[in-house]
Amino acid sequence: EVQLVESGGGVVQPGGSLRLSCAASGFTFHNHLMTWVRQAPGRGLEWVGNIDQGGSGKYYVDSVKGRFTMSRDNAKNSLFLQMDSLRDEDTAVYFCGRVSTVPMSEQIDYWGQGTLVTVSS
Amino acid sequence: AIQMTQSPSSLSASVGDRVTITCRASQGIRNDLGWYQQKPGKAPKLLIFAASSLQSGVPSRFSGSGSGTDFILTISSLQPEDFATYYCLQDYTYPLTFGQGTKVEIK
Repeated sequence: EVQLVESGGGVVQPGGSLRLSCAASGFTFHNHLMTWVRQAPGRGLEWVGNIDQGGSGKYYVDSVKGRFTMSRDNAKNSLFLQMDSLRDEDTAVYFCGRVSTVPMSEQIDYWGQGTLVTVSS
Repeated sequence: AIQMTQSPSSLSASVGDRVTITCRASQGIRNDLGWYQQKPGKAPKLLIFAASSLQSGVPSRFSGSGSGTDFILTISSLQPEDFATYYCLQDYTYPLTFGQGTKVEIK
């Protein structure tokens, strides 16, 4: 059974940092691109970024470029999101997701339950 | 970035109704589009990929169509468990972008 479990969320002051983790199981982790998607309270979904299978190719939404960094440890089946210079507008539930291996598709076929990040003074 | 515009933003429907939700892209995206269902407090669930391919395990009352800029999600006969918010996602190019969502409520 595919499982994705996020951790590391919490309350942080503006300008602070937080590192989210996502533990993956039930599939061959290194075969999949992985993704982070966030959802501000009462709002819609926003794609944050993708990381390729080896970890060298990373793509981000403009609003987090230069502040957020995705990484992965294929030996430990883990995905990470390092968030620096946090702003109020980064407050959201952060979901990690597995990208489908269907050719030419980067849709997200499995999701974690999400972890809440609150940026507040 | 490619803008994805869904309509309507919300709708009210009854069990058994046929429901259609539209997603329009600001530029052509071939058939690089997926549809997701999200219930309150839960993670989204993939329903459709490549505009019209049904994800494994998803009931056949869900279908998708379209190509280029205009896409439709159809629920042929709405069931009680289908009341949720639906999102489209383009995966044609980075940054990936979601539509703003369509909330399907009980009439």
